[in-house]
Amino acid sequence: KNQVEQSPQSLIILEGKNCTLQCNYTVSPFSNLRWYKQDTGRGPVSLTIMTFSENTKSNGRYTATLDADTKQSSLHITASQLSDSASYICVVALLETSYDKVIFGPGTSLSVIP
Amino acid sequence: NAGVTQTPKFRVLKTGQSMTLLCAQDMNHEYMYWYRQDPGMGLRLIHYSVGEGTTAKGEVPDGYNVSRLKKQNFLLGLESAAPSQTSVYFCASSFFAPSGSRYEQYFGPGTRLTVT
Repeated sequence: KNQVEQSPQSLIILEGKNCTLQCNYTVSPFSNLRWYKQDTGRGPVSLTIMTFSENTKSNGRYTATLDADTKQSSLHITASQLSDSASYICVVALLETSYDKVIFGPGTSLSVIP
Repeated sequence: NAGVTQTPKFRVLKTGQSMTLLCAQDMNHEYMYWYRQDPGMGLRLIHYSVGEGTTAKGEVPDGYNVSRLKKQNFLLGLESAAPSQTSVYFCASSFFAPSGSRYEQYFGPGTRLTVT
């Protein structure tokens, strides 16, 4: 069964600290992996997208890694800010479909406190 | 560019009532999607459309209908609302996504629906 799991479910960190969120997937055939940020009461917004051949992708203070062999990805946030408080969703796209078929993880809720 | 917009933002329905959620995009995307988001779960696909005049079922289509009469609009209808349809509904759109491409989905702000 195609599935995306994320850990931890929730996380609280102090402003200025770093953190790493994890994503494990069992999706086949794999096309690409995306990380989205969802602020409370808003729609998800894309942070990064990585294909099979890409190991690392950065977007400002966000760095995503992908290990296609172990089917794991991580999202590292550097020097966290209060505005980083949000849900971070790992999304895996399937290859060879007639539309953009994706599997969403449940998300990790991050709270950055002063 | 407004991106993807959704109407309404909030709605409360009684069991058995009907309503239509409207999604509009100004990015000339071919593909449009309706998802629902429930606590503790990933977004689930309700219906999608690969172009004007086309619709198809997703993972959880029961109780919903859709229409795409114009390329920029995608409507989601609930004919007889049930409490199980209490959820947050998101519309998304994307360009055509050939296998292995990087095309991604752009999401609207969501509609919070409560069915009592």
